[in-house]
Amino acid sequence: QKEVEQDPGPLSVPEGAIVSLNCTYSNSAFQYFMWYRQYSRKGPELLMYTYSSGNKEDGRFTAQVDKSSKYISLFIRDSQPSDSATYLCAMIIPAQETSGSRLTFGEGTQLTVNP
Amino acid sequence: DAGVTQSPTHLIKTRGQQVTLRCSPKSGHDTVSWYQQALGQGPQFIFQYYEEEERQRGNFPDRFSGHQFPNYSSELNVNALLLGDSALYLCASSLHHGGIRETQYFGPGTRLLVL
Repeated sequence: QKEVEQDPGPLSVPEGAIVSLNCTYSNSAFQYFMWYRQYSRKGPELLMYTYSSGNKEDGRFTAQVDKSSKYISLFIRDSQPSDSATYLCAMIIPAQETSGSRLTFGEGTQLTVNP
Repeated sequence: DAGVTQSPTHLIKTRGQQVTLRCSPKSGHDTVSWYQQALGQGPQFIFQYYEEEERQRGNFPDRFSGHQFPNYSSELNVNALLLGDSALYLCASSLHHGGIRETQYFGPGTRLLVL
């Protein structure tokens, strides 16, 4: 069983739609949760970073974490064609004294927003 | 402010050969992590370097090795290449706090094709 599960899609929506992207995880040690956006042939770029359970909003993006259910979500409001990309959830177990954190990623969801 | 840079952008090798990939971290960052991203998959952690030492390692064979230089730049070496090593190799840099907010910034990646 993978530590982080993410529906790979693909997901296709019309411009202006609300998009919901989700990940589940099995390791309770994960404490920090991120969403990365990756355009074709580019490296991932950080979109949202959350720690506690609850919601965090940044413009059209809302990240939601439910640690009790081991479930995280990313909502995109008023989606735009420029949002077309692969969205990756990622998680971190807090760094130990002598080692750095490492990201554990989901498989990524490919999103297309049609004009 | 230069972000994370990687070279080369693309590389074609044949089975059994050896390859070296290079990464320069974002200005001010001292920690470099390497990830392998197969087509249609999320990035998988290979290893992380800090203070010129390998600090953490993912589930990758010894054919994968690395180095970090005093200027924090890093190399990833892969020996005895297999077809399955074909992937996008991503370098991520961060600032080592030994604590919470170690946001990792990714480079554009090196696309390796093994024939």
